[in-house]
Amino acid sequence: SYELTQPPSVSVSPGQTARITCSGDALPKQYAYWYQQKPGQAPVLVIYKDSERPSGIPERFSGSSSGTTVTLTISGVQAEDEADYYCQSADSSGTSWVFGGGTKLTVL
Amino acid sequence: EVQLVESGGGLVQPGGSLRLSCAASGFTFSSYWMSWVRQAPGKGLEWVANIKQDGSEKYYVDSVKGRFTISRDNAKNSLYLQMNSLRAEDTAVYYCARAAGVRGVLGMDVWGQGTTVTVSS
Repeated sequence: SYELTQPPSVSVSPGQTARITCSGDALPKQYAYWYQQKPGQAPVLVIYKDSERPSGIPERFSGSSSGTTVTLTISGVQAEDEADYYCQSADSSGTSWVFGGGTKLTVL
Repeated sequence: EVQLVESGGGLVQPGGSLRLSCAASGFTFSSYWMSWVRQAPGKGLEWVANIKQDGSEKYYVDSVKGRFTISRDNAKNSLYLQMNSLRAEDTAVYYCARAAGVRGVLGMDVWGQGTTVTVSS
């Protein structure tokens, strides 16, 4: 079955830039999405279609894509950004969706 | 207010069945693909199933094929997940989510608060 690979953890100091990667063979053909999940809460969509930002999501959140890797970048990280982040995409057929394993972002 | 509210979770024995419901409000339910996503205790998110606006297309993760059935009633603004032959590994919080755009191309932009399913003897 298709898999997306994320680093388990990323740590940054407040004000610095956090980058979280997600790799998958079908990413050149399928859009990627990023979700933020804080403890005890439902996920929140922060990036769609690789690099688009939903309304209400701060500008410091951005997404990019290069080949089989997509990246979520959080510029000027704030304490409130500490959360788990999940990438999501689809297999080459587009009908089977998948999440990455998640990355815990720690703000030092 | 756009809202999704799940219900129907609980404790069930292995091999048993459970039907989850998701009540939608604040938007035109019949215009959206809908999804179920689950999260086992202490684990990551797992996509479970999708259903098209009119119910004509349904897709499932391999691990639930033949056991779970996603359905919807647009007249009642409701999404369902019928879960049969439940296993311990199905224990999770189950979220329903709205998938915006054609085939969800705009992402899962609205989520419910989740309902907990525990499969144990």
